Amino acid sequence: KQEVTQIPAALSVPEGENLVLNCSFTDSAIYNLQWFRQDPGKGLTSLLLIQSSQREQTSGRLNASLDKSSGRSTLYIAASQPGDSATYLCAVMNYGGSQGNLIFGKGTKLSVKP
Amino acid sequence: DAGVIQSPRHEVTEMGQEVTLRCKPISGHNSLFWYRQTMMRGLELLIYFNNNVPIDDSGMPEDRFSAKMPNASFSTLKIQPSEPRDSAVYFCASSFSGLAVDTQYFGPGTRLTVL
Repeated sequence: KQEVTQIPAALSVPEGENLVLNCSFTDSAIYNLQWFRQDPGKGLTSLLLIQSSQREQTSGRLNASLDKSSGRSTLYIAASQPGDSATYLCAVMNYGGSQGNLIFGKGTKLSVKP
Repeated sequence: DAGVIQSPRHEVTEMGQEVTLRCKPISGHNSLFWYRQTMMRGLELLIYFNNNVPIDDSGMPEDRFSAKMPNASFSTLKIQPSEPRDSAVYFCASSFSGLAVDTQYFGPGTRLTVL
């Protein structure tokens, strides 16, 4: 059974720092991996989607990497800003699963202090 | 586009009452998902529809939970009777499922409290 783990559960950094959020998964037979952002009282917003054949994806100050063989993904945020404060979740979709079967980690709550 | 619309945003009810949550997906999307989020278990898929047909309901916790999608623009998740352990945030999401797997767009959620 696929399990997704995100460590740490919470992270606090000063504004301007570069930071890395970690995600690990137990079954490497994944179709894709996604990173989402969740603001308090809001739904999830998709940030980056990495197909299993890809190694990384970039969007602005965000860069996500995928190492299937080791079951790991990282989300790199450059020059962090207070507006980046949110909970970040990663989710994997297994091969052979239905399209809806995203398996989520519990998230890392990021706080960027001015 | 208004995005995925959910109602109500907050619901407080007493144990044993029937609860109905509603979702309007993004126009043109053909897949709809219901999720539940709790502190203990995180975000879990309850049921997934494609072209209004339930495809995977393995996440529905028990018979007290039921979901319908009578047309492409509306879905409901019903809990009858409700119990305190059903307290959670329920999210609806939609996507377009074509040849490639597309990202899911989430609604703002319904925060359910069962007393």
